[in-house]
Amino acid sequence: DQQVKQNSPSLSVQEGRISILNCDYTNSMFDYFLWYKKYPAEGPTFLISISSIKDKNEDGRFTVFLNKSAKHLSLHIVPSQPGDSAVYFCAARDSSYKLIFGSGTRLLVRP
Amino acid sequence: DAGVTQSPTHLIKTRGQQVTLRCSPKSGHDTVSWYQQALGQGPQFIFQYYEEEERQRGNFPDRFSGHQFPNYSSELNVNALLLGDSALYLCASSDGPTLATNEKLFFGSGTQLSVL
Repeated sequence: DQQVKQNSPSLSVQEGRISILNCDYTNSMFDYFLWYKKYPAEGPTFLISISSIKDKNEDGRFTVFLNKSAKHLSLHIVPSQPGDSAVYFCAARDSSYKLIFGSGTRLLVRP
Repeated sequence: DAGVTQSPTHLIKTRGQQVTLRCSPKSGHDTVSWYQQALGQGPQFIFQYYEEEERQRGNFPDRFSGHQFPNYSSELNVNALLLGDSALYLCASSDGPTLATNEKLFFGSGTQLSVL
């Protein structure tokens, strides 16, 4: 029973365009959401987060949107750069403060 | 400032063997969590250690055990290895066991375990 789902295993976009990565969750008690980026042979690194009391958080080229009624969040990267090519994981914090991860989306930004 | 360090980076074992993986948390962090990342999947929570005690546990059998030392470093032990235990094992550290809003886990690069 996956509580956090990333239904797109891969995404390919042109450099300079927008990348939109999606994440759905089932547990309405999740109160904090994070995105992590992972390069090969490295551990996941924190990218951006959002509290459930907000609907948007922006950090430079990265923006996360949260739609609580739809139990959906998305990560927008504008403009996309080749260095953004990585696997992106969505994670949610549960009531015991541990993180539940999605299965990841592999983003490829084409030069 | 050293981040989270894990050793070894790669390990090959055979079924039935036992393995020990090691982790040193980021400087200033006192809590260590272990995750298993199978191929094509996201990290799955195994357990968390704080003050040398297991504080939380995910849905993993008792073959998975751990330890935390006074210097906050940690070990993950897996007994009676199965083929399905082949995965990337990630260690993550944080400042305290409750991940407050605006805090985040810092991950190591992981140990790739292959069970033959």
